[in-house]
Amino acid sequence: DAGVTQSPTHLIKTRGQQVTLRCSPKSGHDTVSWYQQALGQGPQFIFQYYEEEERQRGNFPDRFSGHQFPNYSSELNVNALLLGDSALYLCASSLVNRGREDTQYFGPGTRLTVL
Amino acid sequence: AQKVTQAQTEISVVEKEDVTLDCVYETRDTTYYLFWYKQPPSGELVFLIRRNSFDEQNEISGRYSWNFQKSTSSFNFTITASQVVDSAVYFCALSEARRGYQKVTFGTGTKLQVIP
Repeated sequence: DAGVTQSPTHLIKTRGQQVTLRCSPKSGHDTVSWYQQALGQGPQFIFQYYEEEERQRGNFPDRFSGHQFPNYSSELNVNALLLGDSALYLCASSLVNRGREDTQYFGPGTRLTVL
Repeated sequence: AQKVTQAQTEISVVEKEDVTLDCVYETRDTTYYLFWYKQPPSGELVFLIRRNSFDEQNEISGRYSWNFQKSTSSFNFTITASQVVDSAVYFCALSEARRGYQKVTFGTGTKLQVIP
């Protein structure tokens, strides 16, 4: 039973560039959430996708956008990168069961460094 | 607005000692979930437990136990007879259950170091 997978593992970009991170949910899950974790901090909720639509969004600017595909996998895009975007980006997947979301399970994360 | 406070930034214990990690939360919702996750140095968050706000029964799983007290808005986590493999950052988290979808708020984490 495959868990949540993310790619790439590490990424180095320069300011102003754009980046795309990818996530495949755990088998049987249909919902994907993205989190940003700065060094020494707890994860911060970015947004959540279900049925290929953004359902909820945290306090992140429009530079952060996403997409969910019919196979439930998801992408996180960040435009016009800033130094402050350097962080571990975590993807979590879950299942909506009878209208209620079950526990979120996390992937290993993508470490993004912006120079 | 939701808030989770983990006042203990770092804790060091000697192997086989018991250790309790504190978690205090704030929410206006009557229905919510509480979680504990473990983050080893590899970075992946490992799910440990989820507790519904209506269920205040304490839970024990092997060397782990959780004490949920709604009256003090606390959800503390105890590791009995700690082991070196328990060394990690532990996060307490809270989610509201509006519309069936979770919006998870994490605390800042407690780094636990178990010394052999």
